[in-house]
Amino acid sequence: GENVEQHPSTLSVQEGDSAVIKCTYSDSASNYFPWYKQELGKRPQLIIDIRSNVGEKKDQRIAVTLNKTAKHFSLHITETQPEDSAVYFCAAGSASNTNAGKSTFGDGTTLTVKP
Amino acid sequence: KAGVTQTPRYLIKTRGQQVTLSCSPISGHRSVSWYQQTPGQGLQFLFEYFSETQRNKGNFPGRFSGRQFSNSRSEMNVSTLELGDSALYLCASRLRGEQYFGPGTRLTVT
Repeated sequence: GENVEQHPSTLSVQEGDSAVIKCTYSDSASNYFPWYKQELGKRPQLIIDIRSNVGEKKDQRIAVTLNKTAKHFSLHITETQPEDSAVYFCAAGSASNTNAGKSTFGDGTTLTVKP
Repeated sequence: KAGVTQTPRYLIKTRGQQVTLSCSPISGHRSVSWYQQTPGQGLQFLFEYFSETQRNKGNFPGRFSGRQFSNSRSEMNVSTLELGDSALYLCASRLRGEQYFGPGTRLTVT
């Protein structure tokens, strides 16, 4: 089955700096890679996703890059703000209608942005 | 549209009991997945239901089961509860690839 490794497990940055979280996956059949943000006591929220036919996607201060050959993808947050502090999860799965429900998650990265 | 809802939000049970959790997906979403979240194990996939059929299953013992109704609402059941079953149980409904999570049910087994 799919195996997703996420690094680092904790990340502390100064407000205004950039943060990068990296994930690797094992199943070359995976073609959908979402990122979720989970604030303390709240549900995971989808913040950005990328499909395997795209190498990069950007949404304001957040960007995700995908390297299919190396089977890794990364989340980039620029100009970090204290409200970016949360646990971030990457996941790998399928975007097809028949198999997208089974996403394998990374173990999460606790991001702390110091003011 | 209303988001994914889960009931109950909190539950305390004793070892050996059984429990049923409920999840109502976003209207129009036919896929519901269940996850167990614990501090040490992250988000672990339990199973996925689509059109009342279990389509995918994670590596959990048979004490964990689920079902889905014709209106896409889903329930999961845990029998013979163990202390290690204490966790946040999240369900997520899906349209194509994007999954949207409910607020979770916090289960405490004493």
